[in-house]
Amino acid sequence: AQSVTQLGSHVSVSEGALVLLRCNYSSSVPPYLFWYVQYPNQGLQLLLKYTSAATLVKGINGFEAEFKKSETSFHLTKPSAHMSDAAEYFCAVPNTGNQFYFGTGTSLTVIP
Amino acid sequence: DAGITQSPRHKVTETGTPVTLRCHQTENHRYMYWYRQDPGHGLRLIHYSYGVKDTDKGEVSDGYSVSRSKTEDFLLTLESATSSQTSVYFCAISEGGAGTGELFFGEGSRLTVL
Repeated sequence: AQSVTQLGSHVSVSEGALVLLRCNYSSSVPPYLFWYVQYPNQGLQLLLKYTSAATLVKGINGFEAEFKKSETSFHLTKPSAHMSDAAEYFCAVPNTGNQFYFGTGTSLTVIP
Repeated sequence: DAGITQSPRHKVTETGTPVTLRCHQTENHRYMYWYRQDPGHGLRLIHYSYGVKDTDKGEVSDGYSVSRSKTEDFLLTLESATSSQTSVYFCAISEGGAGTGELFFGEGSRLTVL
């Protein structure tokens, strides 16, 4: 069964600083990997999706993620944080039986 | 935006009472899911459906049942609510399931069991 691990339940960055949110997947290479974002009091929405067509994936709002097989990682980055990026971010992977497995989430705080 | 409506959005109930949450979609997607979100646990799958009357358990299914009599509706029932079921519940849909793609989420139903 596939799973993902998100390191760091809380991350704080200054406005304008680099955002790095970490996600590692379990051993076998998954067909897809996802990053979702959840703004306060809302449901989750897709930020970006890896499909093996390209290792560097660009998403909405200036975010991108790089798939690294050697590190079993799919970390999310953004060069310059904005106040509006404050949210909770989830990494997810398809699992057996048409299920999706979600990481425990990383809450991003942006300090003005 | 995907057409997903959850009802009720907020509910307070007492221990031992039955509760039903409804998820309604207008996208005609085959797969529907119920997740619960709790601090420190992320999203955990309760049950999911892969077609009308076709459902299966997720990792935290104890104390919950589901039904899907129509493509557009997926009901989550707590037969006898307990305080441990206080949570935010999210419905999600997917056209192709885990084999092809992504989930679209509703806005959540916040349940408090006193």
